[in-house]
Amino acid sequence: DAGVIQSPRHEVTEMGQEVTLRCKPISGHNSLFWYRQTMMRGLELLIYFNNNVPIDDSGMPEDRFSAKMPNASFSTLKIQPSEPRDSAVYFCASSNRTGWGKNQPQHFGDGTRLSIL
Amino acid sequence: AQSVSQHNHHVILSEAASLELGCNYSYGGTVNLFWYVQYPGQHLQLLLKYFSGDPLVKGIKGFEAEFIKSKFSFNLRKPSVQWSDTAEYFCAVNEGTDSWGKLQFGAGTQVVVTP
Repeated sequence: DAGVIQSPRHEVTEMGQEVTLRCKPISGHNSLFWYRQTMMRGLELLIYFNNNVPIDDSGMPEDRFSAKMPNASFSTLKIQPSEPRDSAVYFCASSNRTGWGKNQPQHFGDGTRLSIL
Repeated sequence: AQSVSQHNHHVILSEAASLELGCNYSYGGTVNLFWYVQYPGQHLQLLLKYFSGDPLVKGIKGFEAEFIKSKFSFNLRKPSVQWSDTAEYFCAVNEGTDSWGKLQFGAGTQVVVTP
């Protein structure tokens, strides 16, 4: 089990630039979640997918944020244009949903530490 | 909106001391409950989970948690901590009516264990 794989681990870029974060969920998992972690706001759920379909993106802070899941093994979170207040650790997590309310625990990736200068 | 409260933001204790971290949630229906641990610079790892059945749940690394429905609580305990337990601990709740496994996290408790 390779776990949830995120890339890059660290990203430093100037404000205004486009940032793309990548996530490969655990094979066989059908749910994928993107979180943002900051000291001020803790862990915030941004968006989640089930079977590659976005279910709820109400946590996405602004239109500058977008996420896609083109297939079961890959998702991206994009920020364009980036701003200093977007600096945070972004985590991806995956789990397996087998039926109504039957959700296995989420497994987290190592995160991407994003710094916008 | 539903919420998850972790009462202690920072806890400092010595090795071999007992640890108890409080977690309360505001949702009145069926819930699935989790504790995650985040070691410095690492990702969140699952410590233990409660779905149903015995309200006393045992997890990894000697941790346990007790679900008390009447108090809307799911407190984490460890009888004797080690220096390696220094980490941030997060309580998380999945509402029973949510079929997608969405978690609401508490703000976290930073635990420092001194040698």
